[in-house]
Amino acid sequence: GAVVSQHPSRVICKSGTSVKIECRSLDFQATTMFWYRQFPKKSLMLMATSNEGSKATYEQGVEKDKFLINHASLTLSTLTVTSAHPEDSSFYICSATEGGAGRNEKLFFGSGTQLSVL
Amino acid sequence: AQTVTQSQPEMSVQEAETVTLSCTYDTSENNYYLFWYKQPPSRQMILVIRQEAYKQQNATENRFSVNFQKAAKSFSLKISDSQLGDTAMYFCAFMIDGGAQKLVFGQGTRLTINP
Repeated sequence: GAVVSQHPSRVICKSGTSVKIECRSLDFQATTMFWYRQFPKKSLMLMATSNEGSKATYEQGVEKDKFLINHASLTLSTLTVTSAHPEDSSFYICSATEGGAGRNEKLFFGSGTQLSVL
Repeated sequence: AQTVTQSQPEMSVQEAETVTLSCTYDTSENNYYLFWYKQPPSRQMILVIRQEAYKQQNATENRFSVNFQKAAKSFSLKISDSQLGDTAMYFCAFMIDGGAQKLVFGQGTRLTINP
């Protein structure tokens, strides 16, 4: 099956710094990537949808200036948590899809990034 | 808006037993997909099974099967001959067919298989 690589798997940073998380589709072109956030023992909450070459679409309540998303190529999307604070500590997961007719429902997940802000 | 509800926060069964996880959803759409995902301690999301809403036949994948009741908006997962490796969080999820491919997840059920 298709592979989505997410890096880093774990990051610890100081409050006020910015952190970048990468999500790469390794063997397919991802027209659309999704970023989720998961709090401990909770479900996945969609943060934003990113389409290659266009601005990301953020879900209600997600600060777009805090969580910068870039999808500059068909194989890479990045999530930058700017001026991170302890409340941003969470598990972030990306997913990617080739899109297109007949492949609409095929989503592939990255392995996630645990962000801890001190 | 679509919602997905998993009413069982935790379940526990003995190895080799059969267990059923429940899921209900709410939507006004007619064409959609339903999924069960497994999240083991590694936290990697793993697709367990997928159901197209237009198909009346329940999906099966080896020991995993679903009971899809479209009129009742119910989508339960049955795990037969449960194994220790089935221990994980299980999430029910919904996606509109032909839409933005967004997944809406339920709250999850923590399943523990005891030896």
